[in-house]
Amino acid sequence: EVQLVESGGNLVQPGGSLRLSCTASGFTFSHYSIYWVRQAPGKGLEWISYISDDSVSVIYYADSVKGRFTISKDNAKTSVYLQMNSLRAEDTAVYYCARVRGASLTSCYLDYWGQGTLVTVSS
Amino acid sequence: QSVLTQPPSVSAAPGQKVTISCSGSSSNIGSNYVSWYQQLPGTAPKLLIYENNKRPSGIPDRFSGSKSGTSATLGITGLQTGDEADYYCGTWDNSLSAGVFGTGTKVTVL
Repeated sequence: EVQLVESGGNLVQPGGSLRLSCTASGFTFSHYSIYWVRQAPGKGLEWISYISDDSVSVIYYADSVKGRFTISKDNAKTSVYLQMNSLRAEDTAVYYCARVRGASLTSCYLDYWGQGTLVTVSS
Repeated sequence: QSVLTQPPSVSAAPGQKVTISCSGSSSNIGSNYVSWYQQLPGTAPKLLIYENNKRPSGIPDRFSGSKSGTSATLGITGLQTGDEADYYCGTWDNSLSAGVFGTGTKVTVL
């Protein structure tokens, strides 16, 4: 059974840092790319970041987090990480990781999602 | 803010049909495949439609997708109370080099 489990969410002060983890099981992790998506309370889905499945690790970020967030992947631990620095109140959200399918980014879709982890940025 | 526009809400009686539009541009929907996601209250999103009109196994054929130009549409027929949820379209934007989602549509079964 394919599973994605996020962890690391917490209450953090503005300007602080947090590292989220997304641990996968039930599939060959190294063959898949991963998205991070967040959802602020009562709001819609917002794409945050992408990391590819290959050894080159193509990476993209949303403008809203570029320069503050860093995505990385450890195939040996079947995990993807999101290092979040300089956190702001507007980063408060549930953060989901999702498995990417499709031959390329132009045809990609998210076939499995984790349950999400809550990040609250507040003093 | 999102580059894909959806109506905030749609509603219909049980058994009826609803359609949800997703409007984009040449750099996203006009160039790439569209997927649709259902988010039931308090849960993670779930894939409904991929590559414009394909359904994953386990998704009933009451759900359908289509695309024309820079817009996509999700259709739900035989509406059930269990279909009450938020629905999002998604694709890749070549100009932004970013994933993009629609603004989301809440479906209410009257």
